[in-house]
Amino acid sequence: EIVLTQSPGTLSLSPGERAILSCRASQSVNSRRLAWYQQKPGQTPRLLIYGASSRATGIPDRFSGSGSGTDFTLTISRLEPEDFVVYYCHQYGTSPYTFGPGTKVDIK
Amino acid sequence: QVQLQQWGAGLLKSSETLSLSCAVYGGSFSGYYWSWIRQPPGKGLEWIGEINDNGDTKCNPSLKSRVTISVDTSKNQFFLKLTSGTAADTAVYYCARAHGGGSNSHLIDYWGRGTLVTVSS
Repeated sequence: EIVLTQSPGTLSLSPGERAILSCRASQSVNSRRLAWYQQKPGQTPRLLIYGASSRATGIPDRFSGSGSGTDFTLTISRLEPEDFVVYYCHQYGTSPYTFGPGTKVDIK
Repeated sequence: QVQLQQWGAGLLKSSETLSLSCAVYGGSFSGYYWSWIRQPPGKGLEWIGEINDNGDTKCNPSLKSRVTISVDTSKNQFFLKLTSGTAADTAVYYCARAHGGGSNSHLIDYWGRGTLVTVSS
């Protein structure tokens, strides 16, 4: 099983600042099949990024993804008030498909 | 627009079987993997398993002995059964759609709204 580790656990920033979230895999992620989801309290996860760097439909361009192999990054260029929620990385390249424990972005 | 509507019992006693159903509206039912994911209260996400319209299944080894995922293609529905429930199975259970092939195979793009299942001792 591929274990995903996300850091930091909590990221405290101000609106307008840049957020950099990390996701590290215990083994190489097959074919860059790494996605990022955003989850607001009481809501379903929302797909932001797939294939490590492709934005999903309707996702603002302030969200970007990068990385390959075992190291991946989600960058939010300028934080908007609605971005202060939890983000999960997810590898869908090797079964069992796994999720990271999440990074919470909160207001400093 | 694809919609996944799920339902099932929200309260179980320890050792009982969890049963959930999910109906798919809009879009094609074939060519996708139909998945179950769960999230304990305040915690992260765990992939439970998936099935395609041929009935081919994959399950998380951590749950495999207790999980059955099945499908009814005539109704565009799929199902989850988890036996021998314990408090550790208390979670929001989501049904979801994952791509069936190509470079995005197994990418989850649509989710149901989730069902909170509580297993009491």
